[in-house]
Amino acid sequence: KQEVTQIPAALSVPEGENLVLNCSFTDSAIYNLQWFRQDPGKGLTSLLLIQSSQREQTSGRLNASLDKSSGRSTLYIAASQPGDSATYLCAVITSGTYKYIFGTGTRLKVLA
Amino acid sequence: DAGVTQSPTHLIKTRGQQVTLRCSPKSGHDTVSWYQQALGQGPQFIFQYYEEEERQRGNFPDRFSGHQFPNYSSELNVNALLLGDSALYLCASSLMAGELFFGEGSRLTVL
Repeated sequence: KQEVTQIPAALSVPEGENLVLNCSFTDSAIYNLQWFRQDPGKGLTSLLLIQSSQREQTSGRLNASLDKSSGRSTLYIAASQPGDSATYLCAVITSGTYKYIFGTGTRLKVLA
Repeated sequence: DAGVTQSPTHLIKTRGQQVTLRCSPKSGHDTVSWYQQALGQGPQFIFQYYEEEERQRGNFPDRFSGHQFPNYSSELNVNALLLGDSALYLCASSLMAGELFFGEGSRLTVL
């Protein structure tokens, strides 16, 4: 059974810092891994999708890496801004299934 | 290009009532998944619809049912509402098992 864990659960940093959010999963036979952002009371916004054959994806100040063998993904945010404050969720879809399994998220606060 | 749209955005029901939530997928997407998100938790998979059939189901009771229409839009129905059904219900669309795109959700409160 696939389980997804995100550490830390909450993080508070000053503006301008580079930071890393972690996601781990128990079954390495994944098809895709996707990172999302969620603002309070809102839906999820897709940030990056990493397919199983890929090692990383980049979009602007965001970089996500995937290491299937160790069951880990990291989301790197460069030069953090107060507007980055949100909950960040990772989700994986295991080969042979159709459902994404989500972690409980990391709640990020960037202080001005 | 419209993204995923959900309705209603908020609703209040009482225990024992029934509710229907609606979702229109992103243009070009053929697959709709429904998730339940309790406060402070990650979304939990309810079920997925593809070609008007339920393709996979999560650990939710039969009170939760759905439908997909020929235009790929979908409904989630919940019968005999319980207090514990209060949550944000999220619809996501994709092309097969590809990237998920979510709507803004329907906030259900059961009193």
